[in-house]
Amino acid sequence: DTEVTQTPKHLVMGMTNKKSLKCEQHMGHRAMYWYKQKAKKPPELMFVYSYEKLSINESVPSRFSPECPNSSLLNLHLHALQPEDSALYLCASSRSGLTYGYTFGSGTRLTVV
Amino acid sequence: TQLLEQSPQFLSIQEGENLTVYCNSSSVFSSLQWYRQEPGEGPVLLVTVVTGGEVKKLKRLTFQFGDARKDSSLHITAAQPGDTGLYLCAGARGTSYGKLTFGQGTILTVHP
Repeated sequence: DTEVTQTPKHLVMGMTNKKSLKCEQHMGHRAMYWYKQKAKKPPELMFVYSYEKLSINESVPSRFSPECPNSSLLNLHLHALQPEDSALYLCASSRSGLTYGYTFGSGTRLTVV
Repeated sequence: TQLLEQSPQFLSIQEGENLTVYCNSSSVFSSLQWYRQEPGEGPVLLVTVVTGGEVKKLKRLTFQFGDARKDSSLHITAAQPGDTGLYLCAGARGTSYGKLTFGQGTILTVHP
């Protein structure tokens, strides 16, 4: 299995809703990442988990809450989002060492209404 | 923050033409990665270059890492419509887990 699987592919939520994005990989990668990407822009790092522990939080607002239940799963819990949070949310994983590159999922297209 | 300047931002060419995308920085990176992203999908890793002066070829794509490990280029020979997409360079510092520094991306359109 060489994939990162993200669900759902599309999500529309109201500003008062609570929802979660899910990410799964079975490649044995011990680092997992959440990125946010606006149209035609590069991905922006949100969180890094290394060995299931949060190692980097790029000053992300608390309405985004990451969770890593085990080495294969990564969740992003969403609450009270704003319309400007609408974007493609990408999950990625990597082997030990940045020289190996990331494997990205196909993303969740989130629209906040 | 180490910046990666990628150029050009937009490239529109005819099928069969050659092109080069550049990625430059004032900082040294331990590795440089190139990704291609199609609309509605995540970026897909094309190559990682690690050694200064390294050249890697992937069919019609040639990647080069500068001798000082501060810059990289992607050359596509005889572009095809299937090459259309967003090309991203990304630099890594160190070898442990952490963040990549992404360039701003190059949107390539190859017309039949």
